[in-house]
Amino acid sequence: EAGVTQFPSHSVIEKGQTVTLRCDPISGHDNLYWYRRVMGKEIKFLLHFVKESKQDESGMPNNRFLAERTGGTYSTLKVQPAELEDSGVYFCASSLLQGKGTEAFFGQGTRLTVV
Amino acid sequence: DAKTTQPTSMDCAEGRAANLPCNHSTISGNEYVYWYRQIHSQGPQYIIHGLKNNETNEMASLIITEDRKSSTLILPHATLRDTAVYYCIVRLLSGTYKYIFGTGTRLKVLA
Repeated sequence: EAGVTQFPSHSVIEKGQTVTLRCDPISGHDNLYWYRRVMGKEIKFLLHFVKESKQDESGMPNNRFLAERTGGTYSTLKVQPAELEDSGVYFCASSLLQGKGTEAFFGQGTRLTVV
Repeated sequence: DAKTTQPTSMDCAEGRAANLPCNHSTISGNEYVYWYRQIHSQGPQYIIHGLKNNETNEMASLIITEDRKSSTLILPHATLRDTAVYYCIVRLLSGTYKYIFGTGTRLKVLA
């Protein structure tokens, strides 16, 4: 069974540009999360989808960040325009949330560098 | 803010048991304890979770005290590949189900 897949693994962009990160969850997982770790800080929650609906987006830092999950399958996280402080590693996770399927499985992350 | 407290770092000899403590004195009755680890720059890897009973799986054992205010993750026979940052997380299984990560324990397994 394929795990959570994230694209790209690395991205280097200039300040002011736009970047779109993609996450493919484990097949059948309705719950999809985005997290990020910025330099020297802890891993922080960004938002949670249940299928295509945003269940909680309390961790989104500002309106330069837009997450979508059309059709309830893969998700994208767009940063527009990117700022230097957006640099970090962005993780996606998915889970079943039924019975013993409550644990979330994380992807390998996308390392974003804004220069 | 994270609801858990862990030592910053620990060392363990290869082949010995690694016992990683976690304090969660403000845990609520319906909150679970989860353990994840992050090896180098990979994504967090799920290890185990429990509510109040001790749990064991192929990776580790989780011992939760009777008052649920602390727990210990046990890696029975640590290997060099277990060197990682280990996160103890208290998670409410309702609402958003989000994880709140702390700073974790950096475990170094020594040859």
